[in-house]
Amino acid sequence: AQSVTQLGSHVSVSEGALVLLRCNYSSSVPPYLFWYVQYPNQGLQLLLKYTTGATLVKGINGFEAEFKKSETSFHLTKPSAHMSDAAEYFCAVSADGATNKLIFGTGTLLAVQP
Amino acid sequence: DAGVIQSPRHEVTEMGQEVTLRCKPISGHNSLFWYRQTMMRGLELLIYFNNNVPIDDSGMPEDRFSAKMPNASFSTLKIQPSEPRDSAVYFCASSATVARDEQFFGPGTRLTVL
Repeated sequence: AQSVTQLGSHVSVSEGALVLLRCNYSSSVPPYLFWYVQYPNQGLQLLLKYTTGATLVKGINGFEAEFKKSETSFHLTKPSAHMSDAAEYFCAVSADGATNKLIFGTGTLLAVQP
Repeated sequence: DAGVIQSPRHEVTEMGQEVTLRCKPISGHNSLFWYRQTMMRGLELLIYFNNNVPIDDSGMPEDRFSAKMPNASFSTLKIQPSEPRDSAVYFCASSATVARDEQFFGPGTRLTVL
């Protein structure tokens, strides 16, 4: 069965510092992987997704993620954090090869310190 | 497109009352998902529909919860009778025909049961 593990429920960085949010997955089929962001009192918004092809995926707001099959990882990074990046981030993997059901991780709350 | 529309945005009710949450998916999307989000349990998938047919309702907590999708542009999630432990933010999401495509989330309904 598919699953997602997000290491670190809370991450704090200084403004301008590197953001690294970790995601490891388990999938019995070639995975489709997603990162979503949730700002306070809002719904989830897609940051980026990996389907096939290039393993380095660029998303909105300067975020990117790299699919590493050998490590079963899909970590999210941003070179320089902004105050506006403070939010909760969810990693997700497609549940199977036939539907649009997603398996979500438990989320990582990112705090950005001035 | 207006995106996924949910109503009401906020609902406060008393224990024992019936609550109905509504969702209008993005036009042309044929998959619809209902989620519940709480601090304690995180993001939980309650039920999802494909072409208006419920596919997986294993996440519905108990018989007090029911969901319907009478047509491609409307779905409801009903709780009867409501209990304080049902207090949460309920999200609706929709996705297109392509398998393993991204989900688009609505803004959520914040339910408080007193």
